[in-house]
Amino acid sequence: EAGVAQSPRYKIIEKRQSVAFWCNPISGHATLYWYQQILGQGPKLLIQFQNNGVVDDSQLPKDRFSAERLKGVDSTLKIQPAKLEDSAVYLCASTQGVDEKLFFGSGTQLSVL
Amino acid sequence: DQQVKQNSPSLSVQEGRISILNCDYTNSMFDYFLWYKKYPAEGPTFLISISSIKDKNEDGRFTVFLNKSAKHLSLHIVPSQPGDSAVYFCAASGYNAGNMLTFGGGTRLMVKP
Repeated sequence: EAGVAQSPRYKIIEKRQSVAFWCNPISGHATLYWYQQILGQGPKLLIQFQNNGVVDDSQLPKDRFSAERLKGVDSTLKIQPAKLEDSAVYLCASTQGVDEKLFFGSGTQLSVL
Repeated sequence: DQQVKQNSPSLSVQEGRISILNCDYTNSMFDYFLWYKKYPAEGPTFLISISSIKDKNEDGRFTVFLNKSAKHLSLHIVPSQPGDSAVYFCAASGYNAGNMLTFGGGTRLMVKP
């Protein structure tokens, strides 16, 4: 069974630039999550989708972050404009239903200079 | 406001000995607790969980203990192996806490041969 796929693996940008991350969840998984993991901290939930609807985006900085999951499968997370404090690993995870045993992708490591 | 805390950022143990990783939480609404393991450049993977109706759950070399009155849980690894060297995250969720996973900051375990 293929795992959660994320791309790119690494991204280096300058502050005020924009960036997008892509996630393809495990086939059949209806619930998709985006987490932000800053170095030395645990993952923090940014947004949760159930199929193509948003379940929770209370911790998403909506002035600069946006996410979509148009067909209920792949998802894109965008940052525009990026700030230095956005440097982190962005993790995508999926589950079949609402389940705490998440399957994580390898993440995208973002460095904002 | 850190609702889940792992106060030891790192732990070093000799191969064959016991590793004990600790986690404290503050939100009394949490009723389900999990441990995730993360290798470098990979996403976290689910290791073991425990419901608040239990005080112990065992899976092979891994045992999680829950002390609800102290709001404390621990992960025991016996015997420790060099392949266990990784970052371990404690996480908690609860139906009345929004069912979202809240992660601790992680503990880096190093098992020396």
